[in-house]
Amino acid sequence: EIVLTQSPGPLSLSPGERATLSCRASQNVTRSYLAWYQQKPGQAPRLLIYGASSRATGIPDRFSGSGSGTDFTLTIRRLEPEDFAVYYCHQYGSSPPAFGPGSKVDIK
Amino acid sequence: QVQLVQSGADLKKPGSSVKVSCKASGGTLTSYAISWLRQAPGQGLEWMGGIIPIFGSVNYAQKFQGRVTITTDAATNTVYMDLTSLRSEDTAVYYCAAPPLGYFDTTGHFDYWGQGTLVTVSS
Repeated sequence: EIVLTQSPGPLSLSPGERATLSCRASQNVTRSYLAWYQQKPGQAPRLLIYGASSRATGIPDRFSGSGSGTDFTLTIRRLEPEDFAVYYCHQYGSSPPAFGPGSKVDIK
Repeated sequence: QVQLVQSGADLKKPGSSVKVSCKASGGTLTSYAISWLRQAPGQGLEWMGGIIPIFGSVNYAQKFQGRVTITTDAATNTVYMDLTSLRSEDTAVYYCAAPPLGYFDTTGHFDYWGQGTLVTVSS
C-alpha cells in the first residue's frame, strides 16, 4: 500500500502570498494519478487537481499542481481569503487509494 | 451534473449496524462509479470501498472486508453502505463520492461528493 505524507505542518500566510504544499508517496504513483482536494470546516472535500496537474472544472488558475513519481506539489499563486482551508493529496494509481494527512493553511 | 444526497445523522450502539444511503439526482447511477469514504473527527479521509453499478462490480478496502456491504437500488437511483459490528472508532462522517461522468473507477478522483452523514457510535 502506498502511504502519503504531506508538508509543511500548519502554514500561516497572509492573503496575496504564495502557498506551496508538498505531498510525498512511499512508492511511485502510477501514471501520476495524484489528486488534490480543499476542505473547509463542516464541508465535503472539493476536487482541485487531478492527474497531478489538471485543474478540475471551475477551479481558478491560481491553483496549480506539478510533480511525478513520488513527489508532488500544489501551489496557490496568490492566496485569497476563501483559500484558507485544509488540503489533502490522494493517490489513485494503485489500489487501495490513499490520502495524505492534510496540510492546513491558515491566516497569519 | 449529478448531485449526491445522503441520509441524515445517526446514533448507534456498539455492536449494532448502520445503513447510510446516497441518492443521485441529475444523473443515473449507471453512468458513475460510487465510493464510500469516511473521516473521523479531526482526522483525514479513508476510502472504504465502491461500486460500479453498470458492471455490477464492488470492491472493498481490506480493513473493512467482512464488515461493509455496498449495494444499489436502480429503481430509486440510490447507493447504500451497510457497516456492521460498530465500535466507537467507527464514529465519523461518512461520504459518498464519485469520479467524473463515465470514469468507471472506484478509487478516484472524486469530483462529486455527498454532504456527509455523521454516524456516532456510543453506548
